[in-house]
Amino acid sequence: GNSVTQMEGPVTLSEEAFLTINCTYTATGYPSLFWYVQYPGEGLQLLLKATKADDKGSNKGFEATYRKETTSFHLEKGSVQVSDSAVYFCALSDGGGSQGNLIFGKGTKLSVKP
Amino acid sequence: KAGVTQTPRYLIKTRGQQVTLSCSPISGHRSVSWYQQTPGQGLQFLFEYFSETQRNKGNFPGRFSGRQFSNSRSEMNVSTLELGDSALYLCASSRPEQGAYYGYTFGSGTRLTVV
Repeated sequence: GNSVTQMEGPVTLSEEAFLTINCTYTATGYPSLFWYVQYPGEGLQLLLKATKADDKGSNKGFEATYRKETTSFHLEKGSVQVSDSAVYFCALSDGGGSQGNLIFGKGTKLSVKP
Repeated sequence: KAGVTQTPRYLIKTRGQQVTLSCSPISGHRSVSWYQQTPGQGLQFLFEYFSETQRNKGNFPGRFSGRQFSNSRSEMNVSTLELGDSALYLCASSRPEQGAYYGYTFGSGTRLTVV
């Protein structure tokens, strides 16, 4: 079945450092790919998305490119801030069409130190 | 505009009891999905409702059930609670034709603790 694998955390960075969180997926068909972020005590917020191969999703300085050849959707940010500290989840839509539920990776906790 | 509203935010129940959680989607969103989040299993899909009908279901026992009302509000029910049901339960909504393509909007969740 479909699945998502993302790098284990926690990841600890200094402010203004470069961030990469790796995400690879296994899927049949052409799922949409997502990154969600969860701040302490809150639900999930959609950070960015890509709906087809070679699409680049971007938001708040974060970027991820849908790479079908490597089945990857790595999250990057050039300069992290303390406020970026959160748990990041990679996800894909399962089932295809408009009825797909989301399959999530295990999450990567990011801590940014001043 | 108002986001996805889940009530209550926190709940403590005893083993064997049942519980009902509520979710009000964003206005205009008619698809509602439920997810369970635990430290061990991560985020797992429970079920999805559209037009008062369950159209997708995850791999959970029959103790977990849900329903959707004509105003798109949804409830999920867990009967005969077990300690392992302690989790954050998240509700997500979308326009039915868009969620899988463009993403879902999540509520803040209901934290259920079973003692």
